[in-house]
Amino acid sequence: SQWGEENLQALSIQEGEDVTMNCSYKTYTTVVQWYRQKSGKGPALIILIRSNEREKRSGRLRATLDTSSQSSSLSITGTLATDTAVYFCATEGSSGSWQLIFGSGTQLTVMP
Amino acid sequence: DPKIIQKPKYLVAVTGSEKILICEQYLGHNAMYWYRQSAKKPLEFMFSYSYQKLMDNQTASSRFQPQSSKKNHLDLQITALKPDDSATYFCASSQDRGSSYEQYFGPGTRLTVL
Repeated sequence: SQWGEENLQALSIQEGEDVTMNCSYKTYTTVVQWYRQKSGKGPALIILIRSNEREKRSGRLRATLDTSSQSSSLSITGTLATDTAVYFCATEGSSGSWQLIFGSGTQLTVMP
Repeated sequence: DPKIIQKPKYLVAVTGSEKILICEQYLGHNAMYWYRQSAKKPLEFMFSYSYQKLMDNQTASSRFQPQSSKKNHLDLQITALKPDDSATYFCASSQDRGSSYEQYFGPGTRLTVL
């Protein structure tokens, strides 16, 4: 399996709190993509971080990538109820593969 | 306006039947993909096309056949349907084939096989 965590994780927080979601991967990747999927919709890319970047920010989002530990994190500051969604990280498949392999995701519920 | 159209949104089929899932993208992308998402499972890559050519097939079963009649179309034909095929099928596209390109996903077709 590509991922260390196989089951959908679930987090429930109050609006305004900060949250960090983690994922680890088993094979080399040159890029980690984070997607958000709202109920009944398709996934949408929110941040893409490359292997030569340790950190990437986009508004209230911050992604980190540690290639030595093969892990990535996504942080959201000042969460809103509209941030409620499933968050996936995706990496390349086998070495050199262009395919995206998705992790099982984190169900984030932000309560107003 | 939706950039990736999938039809139908919901589909109910009986075991053993055949269905075609439609996907059209209006983003001018050269690569298109199919993914499957079953209940409580990660998105599973199925196929990729680049310039209307099949580039990768991660689906073990030949019952799943992608069809590309135009550059911006990638349909998915599923034959001899089984209850285990019940899932939401997502079409996606990207400017070109490669993990550095953002993939844009359609709204999905939810298939239920009885």
